[in-house]
Amino acid sequence: AQKVTQAQTEISVVEKEDVTLDCVYETRDTTYYLFWYKQPPSGELVFLIRRNSFDEQNEISGRYSWNFQKSTSSFNFTITASQVVDSAVYFCALRRNAGGTSYGKLTFGQGTILTVHP
Amino acid sequence: DTAVSQTPKYLVTQMGNDKSIKCEQNLGHDTMYWYKQDSKKFLKIMFSYNNKELIINETVPNRFSPKSPDKAHLNLHINSLELGDSAVYFCASSQEGSSDEQFFGPGTRLTVL
Repeated sequence: AQKVTQAQTEISVVEKEDVTLDCVYETRDTTYYLFWYKQPPSGELVFLIRRNSFDEQNEISGRYSWNFQKSTSSFNFTITASQVVDSAVYFCALRRNAGGTSYGKLTFGQGTILTVHP
Repeated sequence: DTAVSQTPKYLVTQMGNDKSIKCEQNLGHDTMYWYKQDSKKFLKIMFSYNNKELIINETVPNRFSPKSPDKAHLNLHINSLELGDSAVYFCASSQEGSSDEQFFGPGTRLTVL
């Protein structure tokens, strides 16, 4: 069975602070994909990043960075110098690589509500 | 151009009614999904279709019946609506065998009174 845990239900920060959103996953698969999605107050789901289990390189995109550690089954997301527009619900998700009837299915974490105050 | 579209965006109805939500994707993908997001924001897969064939059915009540007339469309029909069906329903699509992300529709907020 696959499981994704985002232990932080809500985080509140002041603008310009750095914030890290934690994600821990469980899977018996040797190959899989991890994702982060953002859901702003408008409600749509916005794709942020995909990471293949083979690739443990960290990634940086502007103010966003991701730390993938297979040894601890974690895929954490850091926002540097947070802004009010970063306020949203952030979801971590896991997907099998291939095969089986659950192929393609995304297993989501519970989401972390991030509020950035001015 | 909208990649994954859903209609309607909002749906308010009475308990016991039957309603449908439509989804269309113009990405040429062969796999489509329905997810349900409850009031606590938890997102869970309901169904998945690949080339019009059902491949995932996640213990959803029989009152929910997906239909895929072609690989670009996946509709969701709900019979005898209950209060607990109130949620946001997201349609998504992807290409099987691809590592690409799933593309999500804007969501349909269903409210059952």
